[in-house]
Amino acid sequence: QKEVEQNSGPLSVPEGAIASLNCTYSDQGSQSFFWYRQYSGKSPELIMFIYSNGDKEDGRFTAQLNKASQYVSLLIRDSQPSDSATYLCAARESSTLGRLYFGRGTQLTVWP
Amino acid sequence: NAGVTQTPKFQVLKTGQSMTLQCAQDMNHNSMYWYRQDPGMGLRLIYYSASEGTTDKGEVPNGYNVSRLNKREFSLRLESAAPSQTSVYFCASMVGQTRNSPLHFGNGTRLTVT
Repeated sequence: QKEVEQNSGPLSVPEGAIASLNCTYSDQGSQSFFWYRQYSGKSPELIMFIYSNGDKEDGRFTAQLNKASQYVSLLIRDSQPSDSATYLCAARESSTLGRLYFGRGTQLTVWP
Repeated sequence: NAGVTQTPKFQVLKTGQSMTLQCAQDMNHNSMYWYRQDPGMGLRLIYYSASEGTTDKGEVPNGYNVSRLNKREFSLRLESAAPSQTSVYFCASMVGQTRNSPLHFGNGTRLTVT
């Protein structure tokens, strides 16, 4: 059974701070990883994906991947109240089917 | 370009009733998926269709059936609804199984079974 584990939170940070969200995965062969944001009552929307070890930056968001540790993280710099949402980590399985397995999500609250 | 369209948005069923959730995508994607989302459980894969003409079970297929009607449409059927199937259902599609292909989600169907 492939698993993706996330800190369930909730995580609460002040406006302007860095929010750090973490994820580990069980499938050693997984090659790519995705972060989705989900506002309450809405569908998940893609923030970014990463498949190379190291950091990948997109605006205020930085994804970090360490395949040796089977660890993925998402940093949100200069957090805004509009970043308050649930963040879902997903790993693509290593088989040719390439299905995505999701963690349970981390709820983030950014307070003004 | 509507993306992934799901109908209905809300549905209330009595135990034992049947219904079909509809999903269509206009992005010419090959793969389509049905997930359910329950509080504290994340997204769990029910069924998927890697390509037109194929379907297969995911993590939680019991009580469901699917049909990949054509490349655009992928429906999910509950033959005899049970309270345990109360959930939010998301349809999603993906262009293929390449490593940088993300899932694109529909807006969801909120189903309550009483």
